[in-house]
Amino acid sequence: EPEVTQTPSHQVTQMGQEVILRCVPISNHLYFYWYRQILGQKVEFLVSFYNNEISEKSEIFDDQFSVERPDGSNFTLKIRSTKLEDSAMYFCASIGDRSEAFFGQGTRLTVV
Amino acid sequence: AQKITQTQPGMFVQEKEAVTLDCTYDTSDQSYGLFWYKQPSSGEMIFLIYQGSYDEQNATEGRYSLNFQKARKSANLVISASQLGDSAMYFCAMREGGEMEGGSYIPTFGRGTSLIVHP
Repeated sequence: EPEVTQTPSHQVTQMGQEVILRCVPISNHLYFYWYRQILGQKVEFLVSFYNNEISEKSEIFDDQFSVERPDGSNFTLKIRSTKLEDSAMYFCASIGDRSEAFFGQGTRLTVV
Repeated sequence: AQKITQTQPGMFVQEKEAVTLDCTYDTSDQSYGLFWYKQPSSGEMIFLIYQGSYDEQNATEGRYSLNFQKARKSANLVISASQLGDSAMYFCAMREGGEMEGGSYIPTFGRGTSLIVHP
């Protein structure tokens, strides 16, 4: 069964450093999302991506964040200068034909 | 206003018993979709079941069924014959109608219900 793959599974970074989180979505899907989940809290939408551009983004997705699909398969989320409050689980989701989100296993980002 | 409300922060159930996890939603769209996800302690989000607003039958997937009551705007998840491996957080989510209805396709999530299955 096709699945969404995220790397790395866990990343520890120093405050102020840039991080890139990677995702390989399901190959025939067209919409991709990034969500984040701060420990113990709800799953929050960050950004959606369609046809190689951002289609929608939340208030959380400020200038520190960017997304790209550089090679037609990988889908990346970059945080330019990490803050302590960016520590969270980041999920990539690939959207099926009923708009159900198939999630990757997540990247746990820890900013120290 | 919350679009998805899960009023039960935690639920306990004995192994082999059935359990219902509550979810109510708020939308003015005619077309929408409802989803349930399971998040075990390992952190991944596992898609369980989907119900479309126009589906006349309640969705079922194995031991999971969705008790869809459109007039009450509720979409409760029923897990039959609970297993120890069902212990996890469960999230209800909704995708609204999309651009034609002035909404968004992006699924929004409730705060989750923690289910503990004990032997």
